Amino acid sequence: DAGVTQSPTHLIKTRGQQVTLRCSPISGHKSVSWYQQVLGQGPQFIFQYYEKEERGRGNFPDRFSARQFPNYSSELNVNALLLGDSALYLCASSFPGQGATTQYFGPGTRLLVL
Amino acid sequence: GQNIDQPTEMTATEGAIVQINCTYQTSGFNGLFWYQQHAGEAPTFLSYNVLDGLEEKGRFSSFLSRSKGYSYLLLKELQMKDSASYLCAVRGRGVTGGGNKLTFGTGTQLKVEL
Repeated sequence: DAGVTQSPTHLIKTRGQQVTLRCSPISGHKSVSWYQQVLGQGPQFIFQYYEKEERGRGNFPDRFSARQFPNYSSELNVNALLLGDSALYLCASSFPGQGATTQYFGPGTRLLVL
Repeated sequence: GQNIDQPTEMTATEGAIVQINCTYQTSGFNGLFWYQQHAGEAPTFLSYNVLDGLEEKGRFSSFLSRSKGYSYLLLKELQMKDSASYLCAVRGRGVTGGGNKLTFGTGTQLKVEL
């Protein structure tokens, strides 16, 4: 079975631009979460979506937004990019209802803002 | 809020045993996860604890004491490929739909030497 997929793998943008990152969850998984990982740090929670509704939001500015589609795939949008937005953006999916509700991560999108 | 502490770096010898500790303070607790992350790659799930005690999975074991806010990951028969960052993450109570928010530590960079 395919794991979590993300696109693009790498992206270079300039300050002030906007970016859209995409994620497809593991087949059958209905919950998608987004994390930002800056070099040398652990991932930081941005959003969780389940059944197309936002179920959790981390401490990120309104420049960050996301949505989930009927097929459970998701997009993360970041507007007015800052240099500090340079990071690895990780998407994780999980299957609600299982005891562990383990989150499985995709390979990430590495964003560089110049 | 949640605060998670783990050592920044550890070094061990191939074939040996290493224990990576994690302490946490949380406003709610709904499970603790350990992930392995090789440089430039996504975190991969290693173990999950929600009740006190030891969970064993091959060369990897994880222990949890909820009353002490403490967990450790034990790696036996170390191999060179075990050189990676090990992330401790706590899941907080809250949103429905599974895949609740994970709060990660900064990770412990393990170096396995000959």
